Parts: sequence; structure tokens; C-alpha cells
Amino acid sequence: LAKTTQPISMDSYEGQEVNITCSHNNIATNDYITWYQQFPSQGPRFIIQGYKTKVTNEVASLFIPADRKSSTLSLPRVSLSDTAVYYCLVGGGGGATNKLIFGTGTLLAVQP
Amino acid sequence: NAGVTQTPKFQVLKTGQSMTLQCAQDMNHNSMYWYRQDPGMGLRLIYYSASEGTTDKGEVPNGYNVSRLNKREFSLRLESAAPSQTSVYFCASSVGQNYGYTFGSGTRLTVV
Repeated sequence: LAKTTQPISMDSYEGQEVNITCSHNNIATNDYITWYQQFPSQGPRFIIQGYKTKVTNEVASLFIPADRKSSTLSLPRVSLSDTAVYYCLVGGGGGATNKLIFGTGTLLAVQP
Repeated sequence: NAGVTQTPKFQVLKTGQSMTLQCAQDMNHNSMYWYRQDPGMGLRLIYYSASEGTTDKGEVPNGYNVSRLNKREFSLRLESAAPSQTSVYFCASSVGQNYGYTFGSGTRLTVV
């Protein structure tokens, strides 16, 4: 299972763009990259998933370089309500090892 | 559309007692998962069920058992609770291995 490394915490201000990078050097060929958001006392919430290049939805963008050894979650114009823990996961590539392993995540603190 | 429903939301057990955490999803998802989350840590996979009729161990299965009762329901049982099992337990489901998870709101369990 691919191990991920991401910063423990990040600080930002309202209105700024935030980029959180995750490294996953031993990603498998058919693994996907998925990001989740978790607020205190709640379960994680799916944000975005991608395999390669760029994926964009109404919440965020996900940038994946050609070698897929890292990925960057981009949150445009963050607000106070974006303060949460963000998890990068790699996996889902098929077979019996489809379970996703969560790391400790990145605590994003957005200030006014 | 309720998504993933977990019961109970809170529980206090005495050491040695047993209990079953219930999880049900109404999205016709094939795969279901049980995670635990300890303070300041990410989520750790206890057991998962890739499809109805199958279950498999995750990272931290010791002290737990699971049952995939049908496609909708996946229960987690603690046969003899220990203080080390004090945690927040999350159930999740997904269409399949390459898709994002939907999480429940969690069960906060305290073992005294």
C-alpha cells in the first residue's frame, strides 16, 4: 500500500488560495489519489479524486504530475469554514488491497 | 437519503463488557469499512468488506469481529472491551474500490 506524506499543519487567511501537497513515491500503476476533509466530531468527507493530470470540481482542484509521485490539492479563496483536517490517500487500485489507509492529515487553519 | 447511519452515537462500557456497533447504508454500495480514530491521529482501518459475504482484516483488527449481514449492513463487535478501545469509530461505504468513501457520523466509545 502506498504511503503518503503531507505537512502536519498549514496556516492561511480568508480569500487566499491554499495548496496542500502530498507525496506518494511508491504509488502503484492503477492506484487513484483521493482527498478527504474532516471537521471536528464528524466523519471525513470526500473532496476530490484523480488518476493523472488535473481534476476540478466545484470545491477544489487536484493537480497530479506525470510521474504521479505527488499531488497537490488546491482550495481557491478559502474561508473560515475551510478550517479542517485534509487527508491524502492513495489506493483503490484493485485486488484485495483496495482498502485505503489514512495518514495523520494536514490541519489547515484559516484566519480572518 | 440518509447515506451511512451509525448507532449508537455514544456509548460507555465497563472493561470486559461486549457490544455491537451497527452500520447501515442506503446507497447500494458494495464495499463497507470500519475505522477507528484516536485523538490527534488519523483513521486506522479495523476491518472491511469488499462485497457482500466477504470480510477482511485491516491494520488493527485485534479485539474486534465483524459481520456483513447483508449488502446494507456491516456490524462491528467488541467481545471483551478494553480501555485501549476507547476511540471514535467510523463506518464508511463505497461503490467499489476506485470510488470515494461516504462516512457515517461516528460512534464515540469510552471503556472505563
